[in-house]
Amino acid sequence: GNSVTQMEGPVTLSEEAFLTINCTYTATGYPSLFWYVQYPGEGLQLLLKATKADDKGSNKGFEATYRKETTSFHLEKGSVQVSDSAVYFCALSSRDNNNDMRFGAGTRLTVKP
Amino acid sequence: GAGVSQSPRYKVAKRGQDVALRCDPISGHVSLFWYQQALGQGPEFLTYFQNEAQLDKSGLPSDRFFAERPEGSVSTLKIQRTQQEDSAVYLCASSVLPGNTIYFGEGSWLTVV
Repeated sequence: GNSVTQMEGPVTLSEEAFLTINCTYTATGYPSLFWYVQYPGEGLQLLLKATKADDKGSNKGFEATYRKETTSFHLEKGSVQVSDSAVYFCALSSRDNNNDMRFGAGTRLTVKP
Repeated sequence: GAGVSQSPRYKVAKRGQDVALRCDPISGHVSLFWYQQALGQGPEFLTYFQNEAQLDKSGLPSDRFFAERPEGSVSTLKIQRTQQEDSAVYLCASSVLPGNTIYFGEGSWLTVV
């Protein structure tokens, strides 16, 4: 079945450091890929998405590129801020699976000043 | 409403009690999903509705869990004879059509004591 595997946390970085959170997936067909973010005490929010191979999703300085050849959707940001501290979830949805969303376990990011 | 609304936000239940969790999706959204998120974990799929039809209930952990969406809008997740392992955040999400962006509610936090 469809599944997502993401880098285990927690990840601790200093402000302005470069961030990469790895995500790989297993899916039949052509899934859409997503990154969701959960800030402390808040609900899940869509951060970015990509719906087909080679698409790049971007938002708030974060980027991720849909790589079909490596079945990956790694999240990157060039310079993190303290306000980026949150839990990040990689997810996929597929028409072959009623379009329900399958999530990774989440990666907790803490950015220190 | 403007977003997905869930109630109650917090529920403490005694072991063996029945609970009902309500979800008001975004008006007009066809797809509705329920997820269970244990502490420190990613959301796990429970069930999916397209309008009033429950197309996938493969994620429901036992026959104590039951979900309905009788008129294709509001949905209720019912847990009978609650157990301690049912303690989690129950997330509801909706999308305007299958395959479109999924929007999450803030969740119902269930604690079984």
